[in-house]
Formats: sequence, structure tokens, C-alpha cells
Amino acid sequence: AQSVSQHNHHVILSEAASLELGCNYSYGGTVNLFWYVQYPGQHLQLLLKYFSGDPLVKGIKGFEAEFIKSKFSFNLRKPSVQWSDTAEYFCAVNSGGGADGLTFGKGTHLIIQP
Amino acid sequence: NAGVTQTPKFQVLKTGQSMTLQCAQDMNHEYMSWYRQDPGMGLRLIHYSVGAGITDQGEVPNGYNVSRSTTEDFPLRLLSAAPSQTSVYFCASSYSLEITEAFFGQGTRLTVV
Repeated sequence: AQSVSQHNHHVILSEAASLELGCNYSYGGTVNLFWYVQYPGQHLQLLLKYFSGDPLVKGIKGFEAEFIKSKFSFNLRKPSVQWSDTAEYFCAVNSGGGADGLTFGKGTHLIIQP
Repeated sequence: NAGVTQTPKFQVLKTGQSMTLQCAQDMNHEYMSWYRQDPGMGLRLIHYSVGAGITDQGEVPNGYNVSRSTTEDFPLRLLSAAPSQTSVYFCASSYSLEITEAFFGQGTRLTVV
């Protein structure tokens, strides 16, 4: 079974700081990779996704992620965070064609201080 | 286009009661699934369905039943609620087994007392 590991459970940054959230997965075959964001009291929204092509993917709100196959990693980055980025961030993996859906990491709670 | 609709948004149950969480999607998606979200645990898969009439268990299926009589609907039934089932439940759908994007409902916050 696949697993997803997010390295930081809680991150506190000041506005304008740069952000990198780590994500590693265990599945060795073809994977589709996702980052979701959950703002307080809301449902999950897709930030970005990767399933083929350019390993550097750009998402909404200035976020990007890089897929490094040799490291089984899909880290999320943003050059300059804003207070409105305060949220929970989830990395997720789907083994392409696997029926067991999305496997999520445990999430990173990001707090941006004004 | 409503996407994925879940009802109710909030529910309080007493231990031993049963209830059904409703989920409907209007995107003609084949794959639907239920997750529970608990603090520090991320989202864990309860049950999923790859099409009408076909369901299977996920990571944490105990205490829950599902059925898929139509493509649109995928209800989750709690047979005899327990405090350990206090959680936020999300329904999700995607076009196919190979998930290139999943659409989530708004969630149901369930408290079992």
C-alpha cells in the first residue's frame, strides 16, 4: 500500500517569507500527485497536480511544486506567503489506475503572521 | 453545475443511533469515495465505488456501509454510531479510477455523544 509523509505538521511564518512544505510518497510505480488546501471550516480545494510532463507544476495563488522521481518527493513552494495562505495543506497520491483512491498525508497546518 | 453535494452539514447523534450521510454528484463521474478527517490523521478512505452496483472497502471501513444504486448517489450509512466515529466526513468524486482530479463535497461534521 502506498503511503504519504509530510514532514512538517505545524509551520509558522511571517508575511513575505518563502515557503516550502515537504512531501514524500512510498509507491514505486506510476503516480498522480496532488496538493490540496483546506481553509478554516471549508472543504478541500485543489492547489495543483502532477501526472506527467514537466516536473515543475504551477498551481493557483502563486503556488508551485516540483516532482523529483528519484527522491519520491513532491514539495510545495511559494516565494512570498500572505496572511490569507493560513490553512491546512495536504499532499495526496493516487497510484495511476489504482482503485484505492487518494492516499493523503497527515497535513501541515500553516499559520502566517501579519 | 452543483458538483458534489453532501447533506447534512452538521449532525449530532447518540451512541447506538444509525444515520445516513448523503452524497450526490452531477458530473457523471464513475469513481466516488468517502473519507473521514481527524486531527493529525489527514483524510482516510472509508469506502469507494468504481461504478453503479460496485463498492469496496478502504482503509477504515468498520462501522460503515455504502451502496451505489445510481451513478449520481453514494450514501454512507452508520449502522450503530460510536463516539470513535466523531469526525468530519467528505465525499469525493472523479471521472475515473485513475484520478487526475478529485472533487470534494463541503463535508459533514458528525458528533457522537
